[in-house]
Amino acid sequence: EPEVTQTPSHQVTQMGQEVILRCVPISNHLYFYWYRQILGQKVEFLVSFYNNEISEKSEIFDDQFSVERPDGSNFTLKIRSTKLEDSAMYFCASSPSGIRLDEQYFGPGTRLTVT
Amino acid sequence: QKEVEQDPGPLSVPEGAIVSLNCTYSNSAFQYFMWYRQYSRKGPELLMYTYSSGNKEDGRFTAQVDKSSKYISLFIRDSQPSDSATYLCASSGSARQLTFGSGTQLTVLP
Repeated sequence: EPEVTQTPSHQVTQMGQEVILRCVPISNHLYFYWYRQILGQKVEFLVSFYNNEISEKSEIFDDQFSVERPDGSNFTLKIRSTKLEDSAMYFCASSPSGIRLDEQYFGPGTRLTVT
Repeated sequence: QKEVEQDPGPLSVPEGAIVSLNCTYSNSAFQYFMWYRQYSRKGPELLMYTYSSGNKEDGRFTAQVDKSSKYISLFIRDSQPSDSATYLCASSGSARQLTFGSGTQLTVLP
């Protein structure tokens, strides 16, 4: 069964450093998402991406964040200058059409630890 | 404004019990309602998906939405130890953005 994959599973970085979190969405999916979950808190929407453009973004997704689809398979989230409060699980999701919410599939997540 | 509120738990029940998980929401524009199951350090996995008000049943799971009271419920019949996980409710008014509750941790004791 196709699945969303994410690498690395755990990333440790120092405050102020840039990190890139990588996702491989399900093949033929056209909509891509990033969510984050700070330990013990809610899963929060960050951004959705379609046709090489950001479709929607939340207040959390400020200028420190960027997303990119550098090739036909990867979808990345970059944090330019990490802060301690960026420590969280980051989940990528993909959807074939963006229409049906029951077709939004989540990856296993990347745990980001900022020290 | 906290748009989706969920009973925090944790909830511990004996095997075979009926489990009731509940959420409320405040945004009247929400039309889509989901329940996800999340195992420790894993991504959310969709369990149930409902559009607008009503009930939906899938095996041992029943999702209920009451838009008049803005109340969302998930019932698990004949609960099993393998049902032990965190259950997340989520709602949306658009096709692209999910608003999650904080999750209820469920433990089913054998």
